[in-house]
Amino acid sequence: SAVISQKPSRDICQRGTSLTIQCQVDSQVTMMFWYRQQPGQSLTLIATANQGSEATYESGFVIDKFPISRPNLTFSTLTVSNMSPEDSSIYLCSVQGEAGLYGYTFGSGTRLTVV
Amino acid sequence: QKEVEQNSGPLSVPEGAIASLNCTYSDRGSQSFFWYRQYSGKSPELIMFIYSNGDKEDGRFTAQLNKASQYVSLLIRDSQPSDSATYLCAVNAGGGSNYKLTFGKGTLLTVNP
Repeated sequence: SAVISQKPSRDICQRGTSLTIQCQVDSQVTMMFWYRQQPGQSLTLIATANQGSEATYESGFVIDKFPISRPNLTFSTLTVSNMSPEDSSIYLCSVQGEAGLYGYTFGSGTRLTVV
Repeated sequence: QKEVEQNSGPLSVPEGAIASLNCTYSDRGSQSFFWYRQYSGKSPELIMFIYSNGDKEDGRFTAQLNKASQYVSLLIRDSQPSDSATYLCAVNAGGGSNYKLTFGKGTLLTVNP
């Protein structure tokens, strides 16, 4: 299955600032996905990033808050903008894996704490 | 609103026992079903997937799917302390958004030595 490198692995940020999370895949993939996992909760899809087009955001998530770049088929970034303590979460990128079309492989995650 | 429901647990079983994890889903159009294991502080790891009604076995793991009842389960035989983790059920959205997965909140499993 694809190997995903995600960084930073964790960060502590001041409210009002922004953090950019990077996701690098060792093979070319059409779609990359960004998830959020809030403390004690399950995973929630933020957006789907396709190369060469704007990301598709899920209900409750907007581009101004979570801008995404997808410059090529192996790389994507997610920025968490104007952060507040409510943004403290684990952010995960994922790609489709070997388990058919829909079996996702996840990166190691970014644990974000906003103070 | 597509939903995936799991008992949050914790589910506690003795070492060597069978652990049974259950999941129900609301979207009848769902086609693919996944079980992920997530150790504390780690990202989810895919352990089983199933597409057809019935059972699918892989080592100590068996996934069971009943689309009529909208029910999927995971059995772990000969449970080991290393199986202690949160198990997430995930279901694909079906229809035009069939690349999306909806996750349950997970069941925390503890295997006691």
